[in-house]
Amino acid sequence: DTAVSQTPKYLVTQMGNDKSIKCEQNLGHDTMYWYKQDSKKFLKIMFSYNNKELIINETVPNRFSPKSPDKAHLNLHINSLELGDSAVYFCASSQGLQGSNTEAFFGQGTRLTVV
Amino acid sequence: AQSVAQPEDQVNVAEGNPLTVKCTYSVSGNPYLFWYVQYPNRGLQFLLKYITGDNLVKGSYGFEAEFNKSQTSFHLKKPSALVSDSALYFCAVSDSGNTGKLIFGQGTTLQVKP
Repeated sequence: DTAVSQTPKYLVTQMGNDKSIKCEQNLGHDTMYWYKQDSKKFLKIMFSYNNKELIINETVPNRFSPKSPDKAHLNLHINSLELGDSAVYFCASSQGLQGSNTEAFFGQGTRLTVV
Repeated sequence: AQSVAQPEDQVNVAEGNPLTVKCTYSVSGNPYLFWYVQYPNRGLQFLLKYITGDNLVKGSYGFEAEFNKSQTSFHLKKPSALVSDSALYFCAVSDSGNTGKLIFGQGTTLQVKP
């Protein structure tokens, strides 16, 4: 049983396209996140949702729009893709807000390549 | 502002030898510190965390970490390295604003050679 699953695993697309990445967790957690890992492996949070409410929007371009239809899902939609959006995107979830007394569980990642 | 530094891009160690992956932090208030591991083409896996209490924290796969408040360090250790421990290791600190945000270090690649 996969705890946090993302689809697709790989995504190759042209500049200017719009694409979505889906994330689902079956852990019963109430908080979900999107992280971006760049080519130097540096990890940075993009968004977090707690009980479907946006908690963090970390100065991400508004071309990126997260959507949480329910607590188990957090999708990421990206409009007008740019070359600089190429990265690995990780979804994660935690019970409660990550950091205080709880750790996050990560998905396998989606490698986005914009050509 | 909260920050984490991992001073070594790569650590090389022979199998069977002890390993240490270094992490220093800067926080206001009490730190909540974490170690995660990333195997190639995989997501991050939680290893251990320090919230409060004993300075020596034990985690998964035989790893442990020592919290040192005076040196603001949280080094990851293992008494005897395995080749399968080779991976990318991240230290992280939680945001003091209680937003759930984790701030990661830049990562350290651990290479364990047979």
